[in-house]
Amino acid sequence: GENVEQHPSTLSVQEGDSAVIKCTYSDSASNYFPWYKQELGKGPQLIIDIRSNVGEKKDQRIAVTLNKTAKHFSLHITETQPEDSAVYFCANSWGKLQFGAGTQVVVTP
Amino acid sequence: NAGVTQTPKFQVLKTGQSMTLQCAQDMNHEYMSWYRQDPGMGLRLIHYSVGAGITDQGEVPNGYNVSRSTTEDFPLRLLSAAPSQTSVYFCASSTAGDSYEQYFGPGTRLTVT
Repeated sequence: GENVEQHPSTLSVQEGDSAVIKCTYSDSASNYFPWYKQELGKGPQLIIDIRSNVGEKKDQRIAVTLNKTAKHFSLHITETQPEDSAVYFCANSWGKLQFGAGTQVVVTP
Repeated sequence: NAGVTQTPKFQVLKTGQSMTLQCAQDMNHEYMSWYRQDPGMGLRLIHYSVGAGITDQGEVPNGYNVSRSTTEDFPLRLLSAAPSQTSVYFCASSTAGDSYEQYFGPGTRLTVT
């Protein structure tokens, strides 16, 4: 069954704008929250992750926030560029890693 | 390092045929897993292994077998292919389990007619 819900399923943004993808989860034992980026024809690649003892993590233009009380976490991409166009997956783990359904991000010049 | 490699890249099978999807990693990772990716459903875990000689079922194991005789290799076997197994299959490896970075292979696109 789906433990993690991801929204939106598609996201179109203008180059330079910000993109936000949100995920909610149900298992309160979840303690690891990674985000993967999948480019066309390739396997997913980890871009950032966060553990349950941290509320926010940043790496250059990407950041992840975690609200354990509300059981949701979000990916923020600032100053989007055409190379950010891809499918993004959230996931969470409590001993079993489960993925969201994915968000197709299209950055238009 | 080649990372995680998968063969073949593409495969077409007829219903009832069997085949093995190959996966190998050269990073000395103990944890390996197989996922299938279907439109709108993300990645679903089929089988995983925490080390040579040890395998376990994931979320969608029916119709698939695995074995892990070496640290490097983790083949996935389809015993009698069905159209419902049409999907893109990804192998992944990790240093220490599913709460750590997963390194994915490039995938195998399988069509069952």
